[in-house]
Amino acid sequence: AQSVTQLGSHVSVSEGALVLLRCNYSSSVPPYLFWYVQYPNQGLQLLLKYTTGATLVKGINGFEAEFKKSETSFHLTKPSAHMSDAAEYFCAVSDSGGGADGLTFGKGTHLIIQP
Amino acid sequence: DVKVTQSSRYLVKRTGEKVFLECVQDMDHENMFWYRQDPGLGLRLIYFSYDVKMKEKGDIPEGYSVSREKKERFSLILESASTNQTSMYLCASSFAGANNQPQHFGDGTRLSIL
Repeated sequence: AQSVTQLGSHVSVSEGALVLLRCNYSSSVPPYLFWYVQYPNQGLQLLLKYTTGATLVKGINGFEAEFKKSETSFHLTKPSAHMSDAAEYFCAVSDSGGGADGLTFGKGTHLIIQP
Repeated sequence: DVKVTQSSRYLVKRTGEKVFLECVQDMDHENMFWYRQDPGLGLRLIYFSYDVKMKEKGDIPEGYSVSREKKERFSLILESASTNQTSMYLCASSFAGANNQPQHFGDGTRLSIL
């Protein structure tokens, strides 16, 4: 069974500061990894995904994430936070067994941007 | 752009009622999913479907059923609503194939059971 752990239910950073949201996963097979963002009263929007190949993945809105197999991590970063980045962020994992299984999500991290 | 539309943004029902949540996608996706989202618990998979009339249980199927009579439509049914089913419900869809296909989400239905 796969699982996802997001460290910190709330993360607060100042506008212009580095954003780092942590995600660790467990999976018995090579994983596919995703980061989603949820703005208030909206559904989830895909930020970026890792499937195979390059371990540094660039997404929308200036976010990127690095897959580190040895650390079973897929942390999300952004060099300079903007007020519009305030939202809930979810890390998710899917195994590579094929088929149509749903994603396994972490519990989410609420990103707060201080002016 | 992919559009996943959930029929209601907010819904209030009474205990014991039969409740239908509807979801429609316009991208000819094979796979469709229902999740519930609760504070501190993230998203949990209720049911999913990989084809018309096909369904599979997710992690928390108890108290729910689903229907997929047409490819674009996936319905979640609460047979006899209870207060512990008060939650945000999210529908998603994706193309078939390996699990690297991203899921596209609707805006959610916030359901309150009184």
